[in-house]
Amino acid sequence: DQQVKQNSPSLSVQEGRISILNCDYTNSMFDYFLWYKKYPAEGPTFLISISSIKDKNEDGRFTVFLNKSAKHLSLHIVPSQPGDSAVYFCAASGTNNDMRFGAGTRLTVKP
Amino acid sequence: DTAVSQTPKYLVTQMGNDKSIKCEQNLGHDTMYWYKQDSKKFLKIMFSYNNKELIINETVPNRFSPKSPDKAHLNLHINSLELGDSAVYFCASSQRRGGIYGYTFGSGTRLTVV
Repeated sequence: DQQVKQNSPSLSVQEGRISILNCDYTNSMFDYFLWYKKYPAEGPTFLISISSIKDKNEDGRFTVFLNKSAKHLSLHIVPSQPGDSAVYFCAASGTNNDMRFGAGTRLTVKP
Repeated sequence: DTAVSQTPKYLVTQMGNDKSIKCEQNLGHDTMYWYKQDSKKFLKIMFSYNNKELIINETVPNRFSPKSPDKAHLNLHINSLELGDSAVYFCASSQRRGGIYGYTFGSGTRLTVV
């Protein structure tokens, strides 16, 4: 029962361009949505989050957009840098519920 | 200083053995978790502990048992290991369950059962 889905296993973009990673969810009770970044042989690292009462949150080069009616969120990275190459996990949680993760999207930023 | 540390990083063992994975956090967080990343790369919650109380157990076989001697430690003990237990296991911690601030993860333990 995957409540959080990332349908693109991989994405490749050119350095300097925008990277858009997508995520869909099925549980309308989620209150918070988060993105994590994971390098090989390391644990996931928290990147950015958004509350369900907002539709956009920006932090430097990273922006997360939330479309509640479509149960869809996306992470925009602009401009993309080679150091952004990693696996990105989408996650969602309720106020007092544990976090559910998507399967991840491997982003490759080419110099 | 490592915020969430787990040991060992790699563990290779035979079927039927019993093994433990240790996890410690120095962040002062109240809640700790174990996640399993399977071959399809999904991160699935196994357990979470808050103030020494188990509050979630997601259809995990009872061969897996979390043990928390104090709120800075959550160890994972596995009895009678099976081939299907091979995966990467991540420990994590947070100030509270869920919420917007995210979890802090350890670097993972790759368990291989042969």
